[in-house]
Amino acid sequence: DVKVTQSSRYLVKRTGEKVFLECVQDMDHENMFWYRQDPGLGLRLIYFSYDVKMKEKGDIPEGYSVSREKKERFSLILESASTNQTSMYLCASSYRVEKLFFGSGTQLSVL
Amino acid sequence: SQQGEEDPQALSIQEGENATMNCSYKTSINNLQWYRQNSGRGLVHLILIRSNEREKHSGRLRVTLDTSKKSSSLLITASRAADTASYFCATDRRYSTLTFGKGTMLLVSP
Repeated sequence: DVKVTQSSRYLVKRTGEKVFLECVQDMDHENMFWYRQDPGLGLRLIYFSYDVKMKEKGDIPEGYSVSREKKERFSLILESASTNQTSMYLCASSYRVEKLFFGSGTQLSVL
Repeated sequence: SQQGEEDPQALSIQEGENATMNCSYKTSINNLQWYRQNSGRGLVHLILIRSNEREKHSGRLRVTLDTSKKSSSLLITASRAADTASYFCATDRRYSTLTFGKGTMLLVSP
């Protein structure tokens, strides 16, 4: 089975901190995605990547950046965390966009 | 931007009953997928239906797609308490990404 591992289940950070959310997949998938999930808003796409060193903005990229130095790892970076970035962050990977495999999520609280 | 919208937002039923959730979308699609999310966890892919298919089955799941009405339904037959979860439809869009709806919360009581 495909495994998508997110480095932290829960994370608490202070406003202004630089935050790294790590995601690793073990199935050699080209595609990787970062979503955030908020009550009443569903899942919204932040960034995605089709290959190493390649990245594309999703619907809500402001305040975020990403890094994909190796195929299996896709990192989401909050350059200067703000309280409105408190959310559940979900990483996913896929071979084709016909079946996404999700990690367990990181619940980030920014105080 | 939201593409799929699920209906109802919440559904409460007893074990053994059937659960039906609906999804409407706005633009043409190549396929539509359904995912399940147990409380506070990641999403799990359930089933995919292509735009040229009208109905698909997988175990106790039945999905229909009506492209003329831009809508899909997910039927879970003989529901169990373990089916309690949120269910999302997802449609493919530009750059081969997926857009998810806001989900239907299903509660199955023993």
